[in-house]
Amino acid sequence: GEDVEQSLFLSVREGDSSVINCTYTDSSSTYLYWYKQEPGAGLQLLTYIFSNMDMKQDQRLTVLLNKKDKHLSLRIADTQTGDSAIYFCADSGGSYIPTFGRGTSLIVHP
Amino acid sequence: DTGVSQDPRHKITKRGQNVTFRCDPISEHNRLYWYRQTLGQGPEFLTYFQNEAQLEKSRLLSDRFSAERPKGSFSTLEIQRTEQGDSAMYLCASSPDVRNTIYFGEGSWLTVV
Repeated sequence: GEDVEQSLFLSVREGDSSVINCTYTDSSSTYLYWYKQEPGAGLQLLTYIFSNMDMKQDQRLTVLLNKKDKHLSLRIADTQTGDSAIYFCADSGGSYIPTFGRGTSLIVHP
Repeated sequence: DTGVSQDPRHKITKRGQNVTFRCDPISEHNRLYWYRQTLGQGPEFLTYFQNEAQLEKSRLLSDRFSAERPKGSFSTLEIQRTEQGDSAMYLCASSPDVRNTIYFGEGSWLTVV
């Protein structure tokens, strides 16, 4: 089946930028998503990008897409302790059913 | 609150019992999805509905699992003869249409003892 891969952990200092990376295999994906999950909670849609775009910026969030390499990244500027959570990358696939990675745990320390 | 609503949020049941989860999608969202998430993993697709029609089921959805969306609004996910391996969070999501972004509920935690 199609796969979405992410590194499992990222630790940053408060105020620094965080960059979370993701690779996917399904070249038919139209949407690529970033979701945030806090402990015990559901998934919150952070942002998404269409596959025909290279970059999308939304306040502190910047998404970069390299479609040729099937590589997606999420940059969080000025990372705060409230940003500590698990971040999931997902692709829509050809049937618009999101396939998720295992998630990257972002730890922000003072 | 007009988000995706799930009930109950937590359920503890004995092995062999049946459980049912309910999902109320965002109003007028045609697509409704069920996912399962276990500890340390990302959500895994179970099934989805376009209005009242169940269009796709994952092979994860064994014969003990059944999902319905009788009037194209709310949906139920029933697990019969629960097993310890069914312990997970069951997530519901909805979207307005096939080409739109997908919004998740808070999930229903199931613990089978």
